Amino acid sequence: GESVGLHLPTLSVQEGDNSIINCAYSNSASDYFIWYKQESGKGPQFIIDIRSNMDKRQGQRVTVLLNKTVKHLSLQIAATQPGDSAVYFCAESFSGSARQLTFGSGTQLTVLP
Amino acid sequence: EADIYQTPRYLVIGTGKKITLECSQTMGHDKMYWYQQDPGMELHLIHYSYGVNSTEKGDLSSESTVSRIRTEHFPLTLESARPSHTSQYLCASSDSGVPQETQYFGPGTRLLVL
Repeated sequence: GESVGLHLPTLSVQEGDNSIINCAYSNSASDYFIWYKQESGKGPQFIIDIRSNMDKRQGQRVTVLLNKTVKHLSLQIAATQPGDSAVYFCAESFSGSARQLTFGSGTQLTVLP
Repeated sequence: EADIYQTPRYLVIGTGKKITLECSQTMGHDKMYWYQQDPGMELHLIHYSYGVNSTEKGDLSSESTVSRIRTEHFPLTLESARPSHTSQYLCASSDSGVPQETQYFGPGTRLLVL
């Protein structure tokens, strides 16, 4: 079936630096994408989303970029903080799938002091 | 913060026992989901519901069953637990009245079957 995959399973960054987490998706029909943050022992927490009619969306310290040409999604975290340490998942959906989400395998972000 | 709750948070149980994992949401969402997740791995959909009296199996085969008698409640039952059922179970809900139907997750139940 269609899949959403992450390029790097782990990412370590220094506190205060910017983080970039990448995601590749394979279903060209996907029109909605979400980034979730999952801390140890907790459920996934919604961070930011983007629809396919947009290339960029900004939140508080986070930015999601969507490149539909190469089917690539990225999450940028500005001034990374220790509290940002978690596993980050991207997920995709399209209306034809009744909006069911397809998740990637996650990237573990570790913020170094 | 999403208002979706799961109990118990942790459960250690012996093989052959019947268990029910509870999930409730107070957002009035019509759609609810159960996912299974091994540590650090992707989420796999095992059951979902479009509304009261609607239940469907997800992509991942599961020996569990679900029911949806009330909008806010979506319990998952394992009739006879086995060690292979050891995993984290995540419940989620979404509002089909919103175009993108963003899913919001509960805190999860960590299940260990001995």
